Amino acid sequence: EAVLTQSPLSLPVTLGQPASISCRSSQGLVHSDGNTYLNWFQQRPGQSPRRLIYNVSKRDSGVPDRFSGSVSGTDFTLKISRVEAEDVGVYYCMQGTRWPYTFGQGTKLEIE
Amino acid sequence: EVQLVESGGGLVQPGGSLRLSCSASGFTFSSYTTHWVRQAPGKGLEHVSAVNPDASLTYYADSVKGRFTISRDNSRGTLFLQVTSLRTEDTAVYYCVTDFRSGGADCWGQGTLVTVSS
Repeated sequence: EAVLTQSPLSLPVTLGQPASISCRSSQGLVHSDGNTYLNWFQQRPGQSPRRLIYNVSKRDSGVPDRFSGSVSGTDFTLKISRVEAEDVGVYYCMQGTRWPYTFGQGTKLEIE
Repeated sequence: EVQLVESGGGLVQPGGSLRLSCSASGFTFSSYTTHWVRQAPGKGLEHVSAVNPDASLTYYADSVKGRFTISRDNSRGTLFLQVTSLRTEDTAVYYCVTDFRSGGADCWGQGTLVTVSS
């Protein structure tokens, strides 16, 4: 199964500053249909995970454009251009290319 | 509105059983692969089980194989997870998740808490 390794695991950020989370896969994630099913989720305290980014770089409906996703090889990145207070929570990457779906360990974003 | 509502969780002793349910609404449930993902207290996300639309294909994590059974009733728009021989390490919030849109795992329920303790 594809192992996803996130870094950092803890991310203190000043309001208005950018933030970046890395997710490295142990395997290629290109599906036989040509798509790469790497998603990013946000989990606010006490809530269910919410998908923000799908297929590496597409934003889900209602997701602010300060969130973006990118890839270089098997290294995936979630960037927040300017962190706001509502962005506090844990962020997970997940691959949906093959079963089992696998998740990164999670990155806890907090405001410093 | 696409909605998933889980139920059936609770406090159970080690070795006990529960039947988790997930009621789907707002979309054609029978057309989509659906999953159970769990999250132990303070921990990350684990893909526990999955079933394709016609239930011809299932997946189980090694940690639950032989103890958990996933099933679906497409006529009722409901997903089930029969959990048996429960262990303390099965304590978690169990989320019902569906692959409604491209990319997978886009729709999540609110979760149901299973606590295994004597």
